[in-house]
Formats: sequence, structure tokens, C-alpha cells
Amino acid sequence: DAGVIQSPRHEVTEMGQEVTLRCKPISGHNSLFWYRQTMMRGLELLIYFNNNVPIDDSGMPEDRFSAKMPNASFSTLKIQPSEPRDSAVYFCASSLQGAEDEQFFGPGTRLTVL
Amino acid sequence: GEDVEQSLFLSVREGDSSVINCTYTDSSSTYLYWYKQEPGAGLQLLTYIFSNMDMKQDQRLTVLLNKKDKHLSLRIADTQTGDSAIYFCAEIPGSQGNLIFGKGTKLSVKP
Repeated sequence: DAGVIQSPRHEVTEMGQEVTLRCKPISGHNSLFWYRQTMMRGLELLIYFNNNVPIDDSGMPEDRFSAKMPNASFSTLKIQPSEPRDSAVYFCASSLQGAEDEQFFGPGTRLTVL
Repeated sequence: GEDVEQSLFLSVREGDSSVINCTYTDSSSTYLYWYKQEPGAGLQLLTYIFSNMDMKQDQRLTVLLNKKDKHLSLRIADTQTGDSAIYFCAEIPGSQGNLIFGKGTKLSVKP
């Protein structure tokens, strides 16, 4: 298996634009996590899906952020409109079942909002 | 709140032992984890310990857990330059089902 795949690896956009980050979890994994990493706040969980259903989205910063998982092999994280303070590295991770199981992280998407 | 705390930096010489410390706040956490992040990459699970254990050893890695003080440590024996990375301590608090990470300790290994 190629591991968790994220695209794009880098994204530079202007304030106000819509940004869509994509993730393909490891095949057979039932849980998917979106994290955001910044120097100031460290690694924060944004949202967690189990069997394609959002379980906990309390970490989603505000209504500008939305995440979907239309099927077991694909998830998106959308920011609309984007703001400079959204600049961060966004990681997707997957696990067999739940947060206690080993989480396998993708390489991340480095987002810069100008 | 549930905060996991770690020192931000550690520098050691190649061949020495490294000890990375972590304190956590939720005594009901069942598992405690150490994840490693190499430059430009995502996190990777290094090891974990079940809360009813005091110590776990895995090759060059030793994890010590002091539940009374809510203190977790990771010792890397014979540290190599390839061990240079950021090490994250993490727990799943009893009130939540999600991993809470510390801010990470950046380990620098000098030749």
C-alpha cells in the first residue's frame, strides 16, 4: 500500500479564495483524521470520521472550514474563504479503527494564504 | 483542560542517550504514545505504553510511565544522527476519543 496520500503537497493562494485539500486513506482503514500543525498551536485535530461518518468536528475552527468523506477511500477539507491565519500544514491520517489504533499520517499539505 | 506538555528542544551528541520528557493531565488515559516526525514528513508511531505498565522496552527505546506524577519519558540509547526529529507525546483523555498531542520536542543529534 502507498500509505495515506494527500494532495496537493503545497498550495499557495490569496486571501478570500477557496482551498480544497484531498486525502486518500489506507485501504481497509475505517477511521480518518484531519489535523492542522502550526508553530504556535502545535498539532490540532480538526475532525475525525469513522466509517465515513463525522464523529467529532469540535476542532473545526469555524464555518469557513468543512470536511466531507463521500466514500471510504476519499476525503476533502475545504476552506472558503481562506484567510492568512489558515496558513499551516494540514495532515490527514487513517487508522484501522478509532484513535487508539496506530494512526498513519500522510505527508501533509503546506498551505500558504497570502 | 487536557494539555500535554513537553520541552521544545533537546540537543545531544551522537552515541549519548536522549531522554525526552512529557507530562499529561488525564489519569484515565488508557494508552500513551510517542510519535516521531522527520523533516517534511507526517508523524509516525514510534511506540506506546498501556497505562497499567511502568516500563516498556523496544530495542534502543525505553518508555517509562509514572502514573502518580502523570509523567512519561522516552529514552533513546546510543542516539544516532538519524534520530534527529521532532518527538510528540500523545494521550487519549478519558473524556474524549481523540489523540491530544504535545507541541513536540525537537531532538538535534550532533556528530
